[in-house]
Amino acid sequence: EAQVTQNPRYLITVTGKKLTVTCSQNMNHEYMSWYRQDPGLGLRQIYYSMNVEVTDKGDVPEGYKVSRKEKRNFPLILESPSPNQTSLYFCASSLVNPGLAGLNYEQYFGPGTRLTVT
Amino acid sequence: AQRVTQPEKLLSVFKGAPVELKCNYSYSGSPELFWYVQYSRQRLQLLLRHISRESIKGFTADLNKGETSFHLKKPFAQEEDSAMYYCALSGPASGTYKYIFGTGTRLKVLA
Repeated sequence: EAQVTQNPRYLITVTGKKLTVTCSQNMNHEYMSWYRQDPGLGLRQIYYSMNVEVTDKGDVPEGYKVSRKEKRNFPLILESPSPNQTSLYFCASSLVNPGLAGLNYEQYFGPGTRLTVT
Repeated sequence: AQRVTQPEKLLSVFKGAPVELKCNYSYSGSPELFWYVQYSRQRLQLLLRHISRESIKGFTADLNKGETSFHLKKPFAQEEDSAMYYCALSGPASGTYKYIFGTGTRLKVLA
């Protein structure tokens, strides 16, 4: 079954304790992205990757890191989490960059990871 | 700056009434526009893409470049349309390929 998976689904942690949220897709998609969803703010892009070893900042990258060593995986790393990073996080993938002119491949979203930083 | 504006946080309509969810955008160039929907306890999923000009679940959206709008419309709302709707755009701008979502509109269809 074609899907995007995220782990863990729920996480409660303390300020400053490094954590990683994994994201994996089995569709051989080139484009992968991380978003956070906050009430009243909608979804905001954190980082995206157009292919292996190619990553770029979205609108809210501060406090986050990513890596893309393999095509299928795109982990989100919080080196020193803070309470303002409490949010619902979504990973998504698309066959190719969805912004290419004339092409608009949809993004497939993971189930979300609810992170609470105390 | 790239921006997507959805002015209504909540839209309530009665079953059978027409629905229009507003979306305005700011973008220098020709973006790709999308509507995504999130039903309760489900993943975000694509509803419409402007380039395909298709109708999904009775919804349509027309890109108006003059008004920089991409409003989502349905002539007769159904209770199962109740969900969160997000307008989004993407495209190359300043050498990046960000994906920008609006803040979303919650649609409630009342019986």
